[in-house]
Amino acid sequence: DAGVIQSPRHEVTEMGQEVTLRCKPISGHNSLFWYRQTMMRGLELLIYFNNNVPIDDSGMPEDRFSAKMPNASFSTLKIQPSEPRDSAVYFCASRFGGADEQFFGPGTRLTVL
Amino acid sequence: QQQVKQSPQSLIVQKGGISIINCAYENTAFDYFPWYQQFPGKGPALLIAIRPDVSEKKEGRFTISFNKSAKQFSLHIMDSQPGDSATYFCAASKGGSQGNLIFGKGTKLSVKP
Repeated sequence: DAGVIQSPRHEVTEMGQEVTLRCKPISGHNSLFWYRQTMMRGLELLIYFNNNVPIDDSGMPEDRFSAKMPNASFSTLKIQPSEPRDSAVYFCASRFGGADEQFFGPGTRLTVL
Repeated sequence: QQQVKQSPQSLIVQKGGISIINCAYENTAFDYFPWYQQFPGKGPALLIAIRPDVSEKKEGRFTISFNKSAKQFSLHIMDSQPGDSATYFCAASKGGSQGNLIFGKGTKLSVKP
């Protein structure tokens, strides 16, 4: 079992550039979550998909952020344009059906200069 | 508004000692309370969880104590080991484990040999 796969693991970009983070959930899991982790704000839920449909995007900070899940095995989180305050570790997590546990990926460390 | 408050921010314990991390919540609708463990460079992983119908849950050296009237719950790590050194996050959700998790800001635990 490969677990949740995220790419890239590290991303360094300049302010104003577009950033795309990618996630492959565990096969068979039908819920997918995007989180952002910073020292100041901790771990925050950005958006949650169930069966590829966005259910709750109230945590998306602003219109510069967008997320898609075109199929059950792939999701993207896009930031356009990126700003230095977007620097954080972004985690993707997936969950199977009615199970309790969310399985987190290794995260993408984003640095916006 | 922080809905789950976690303390302390950091904790140093000697090997063999007891580590205690506390969390308090505000929303009485929360009905699922997990603890996640995160090692450096990794995503969080579910450690143990409790529902409000019980006051205590034990799994090996890890115990959750839950006080519904005080809206508090805590993680106890007995016989702490250097391998337990990690960041621990409490969380809460409403709608059981299917709800969105609200995380505390984390406690960095260091267990000294």
